[in-house]
Amino acid sequence: DAVMTQSPLSLTVTPGQSASISCRSGQSLVHRDGNTYLSWFQQRPGQSPRRLLYKVSTRDSGVPDRFSGSGSGTDFTLQISRVEAEDVGVYYCTHTTRWPWTFGQGTKVEIK
Amino acid sequence: EAQLVESGGDLVQPGGSLRLSCAASGFMFRNFWMTWVRQAPGKGLETVAIINTDGSQKYYVDSVKGRFTISRDNAKNSLFLQMTSLRAEDTAVYYCAGDYSSPSGSYWGQGTLVTASS
Repeated sequence: DAVMTQSPLSLTVTPGQSASISCRSGQSLVHRDGNTYLSWFQQRPGQSPRRLLYKVSTRDSGVPDRFSGSGSGTDFTLQISRVEAEDVGVYYCTHTTRWPWTFGQGTKVEIK
Repeated sequence: EAQLVESGGDLVQPGGSLRLSCAASGFMFRNFWMTWVRQAPGKGLETVAIINTDGSQKYYVDSVKGRFTISRDNAKNSLFLQMTSLRAEDTAVYYCAGDYSSPSGSYWGQGTLVTASS
């Protein structure tokens, strides 16, 4: 199984500053078709998860361009620039490269 | 607008059974791999089972193999999860969701609570 390890597990950010979340996989997430099926989700308090990015860096419709993704192979990063109050929540990385589709433990983002 | 609506969650005694349903609308359900994801109280997300577009391929996390069965009815835009021999550790909110990597969107329901407790 591809164990997904996120760091940090908790983050407090001042509005307007940037935040970075790391996600490391125990196995390469490159699929045999050449794509890397790594996604990032945001879960606001009391809500269902919402996808922000897929295939490492493709932003979903309606997601602010303050959110960006990067990385390859086993190491990935979610960057949030100019953090706003609405960014409070837990962020998860996940993959669908092979079964089982695993999630990271989640990173809780709070605003100062 | 795409929508997934789960139902069937309940309080059940350990060893009991439940059947969860998920009704899809507003998107081409038959074109999506579908999943059941659970979230135990205060915990993270876990993909429990996935099913391909025509229902011919199904995969389960080890902890539910032999106890849970995922199925779908594309004619009725519906996804199901039959759960048997429920354990206390199965207590969670269960979400119905589409393929996390689909370029057509990632759709999630609001979740339904399953509690296995005496």
